[in-house]
Amino acid sequence: DVKVTQSSRYLVKRTGEKVFLECVQDMDHENMFWYRQDPGLGLRLIYFSYDVKMKEKGDIPEGYSVSREKKERFSLILESASTNQTSMYLCASSQTSARGNPFFGPGTRLTVL
Amino acid sequence: AQSVTQPDIHITVSEGASLELRCNYSYGATPYLFWYVQSPGQGLQLLLKYFSGDTLVQGIKGFEAEFKRSQSSFNLRKPSVHWSDAAEYFCAVGDNFNKFYFGSGTKLNVKP
Repeated sequence: DVKVTQSSRYLVKRTGEKVFLECVQDMDHENMFWYRQDPGLGLRLIYFSYDVKMKEKGDIPEGYSVSREKKERFSLILESASTNQTSMYLCASSQTSARGNPFFGPGTRLTVL
Repeated sequence: AQSVTQPDIHITVSEGASLELRCNYSYGATPYLFWYVQSPGQGLQLLLKYFSGDTLVQGIKGFEAEFKRSQSSFNLRKPSVHWSDAAEYFCAVGDNFNKFYFGSGTKLNVKP
């Protein structure tokens, strides 16, 4: 069974902390994504990676960075967490062809106090 | 820029009634279109997808969607709703650069 896994389901951090969210996929997909999900706003793309060490900003990259050192792993980094980054974070992966729909992980609910 | 609009934030239907969830997209080229469902506390599951060909697409759980290019729409339908269909539904569009854009979602409530 194909899978996208995220390191934590729930995470509580303090303002100013550096936060790492990890995502691993076992489908050998080229593309990986980080989305943020907020009520009434749907899913908003934070960052996108189309290859190892390659990344592209999404619609809301401010306050975030990413790292992709290996094909199967894509990390989201909050350099200095703020309360407005409290949200559900969803990782996804897809094939490189536009015929590949994204597969999603279960999500990490991050609370910043 | 690409965008997806789901005009209905909440919809309530009675069990056994038919359902239609609306989705409009904005994209200059031929879109790749998707519907996902998210049950409470669960991840997003793909219901169906459209890439080309027949504009009426069948999906899982008895859902179907119709692509209408002239209306820039990709509405999701189900002839008879079950209580287990209560969830949030997201429409998405994929572009030629492997990015995917999602609507704000429609929450479906099913009355007994």
